[in-house]
Amino acid sequence: GDSVTQMEGPVTLSEEAFLTINCTYTATGYPSLFWYVQYPGEGLQLLLKATKADDKGSNKGFEATYRKETTSFHLEKGSVQVSDSAVYFCALERNQGGKLIFGQGTELSVKP
Amino acid sequence: DTGVSQDPRHKITKRGQNVTFRCDPISEHNRLYWYRQTLGQGPEFLTYFQNEAQLEKSRLLSNRFSAERPKGSFSTLEIQRTEQGDSAMYLCASSLALGNSYNEQFFGPGTRLTVL
Repeated sequence: GDSVTQMEGPVTLSEEAFLTINCTYTATGYPSLFWYVQYPGEGLQLLLKATKADDKGSNKGFEATYRKETTSFHLEKGSVQVSDSAVYFCALERNQGGKLIFGQGTELSVKP
Repeated sequence: DTGVSQDPRHKITKRGQNVTFRCDPISEHNRLYWYRQTLGQGPEFLTYFQNEAQLEKSRLLSNRFSAERPKGSFSTLEIQRTEQGDSAMYLCASSLALGNSYNEQFFGPGTRLTVL
């Protein structure tokens, strides 16, 4: 069945460091791919998305590119801030408007 | 506040009791989803509705679980004869589905269930 695998956390970085959180997926067809973020004490929020191969999603300085050949959607940010500390979830959706399938989440902690 | 709301935010119950959670979606949204999230894991899909019709149910949704959306607005999720393994965060999300276009799911704050 469909699945999403993320790199395990926690990831601890210093402020202004470069961030990569790896995400790979298994799915039939051409899923849409997402990154959701959960800040401490808050609900899940969509961070960015890509709906077809080679699309790049971006938001708040974060980027991820839909790579069909490697079935990956890695999250990157050039310079992290303390306020980026959160849990990040990679997810896929196969049928537009249908269920999301999430990875296990990666906790990011950014130290000043 | 016009986001997705869930009630209660926390529920503690004893094993064997029944519990019911409520979700109020964003008012114009026609799709409503339920997910379950255990500690250290990502949300797992349980079921979803388009208007009042339940379109898909996960195998995770045992016969002790039932969800309804009787008027196509709010939804309830009931768990009968709760077990300790039911302890989790129950998340609700809603979206506006228009034809085949992508539609973002907006999540509520969740109901945390603890079964003693």
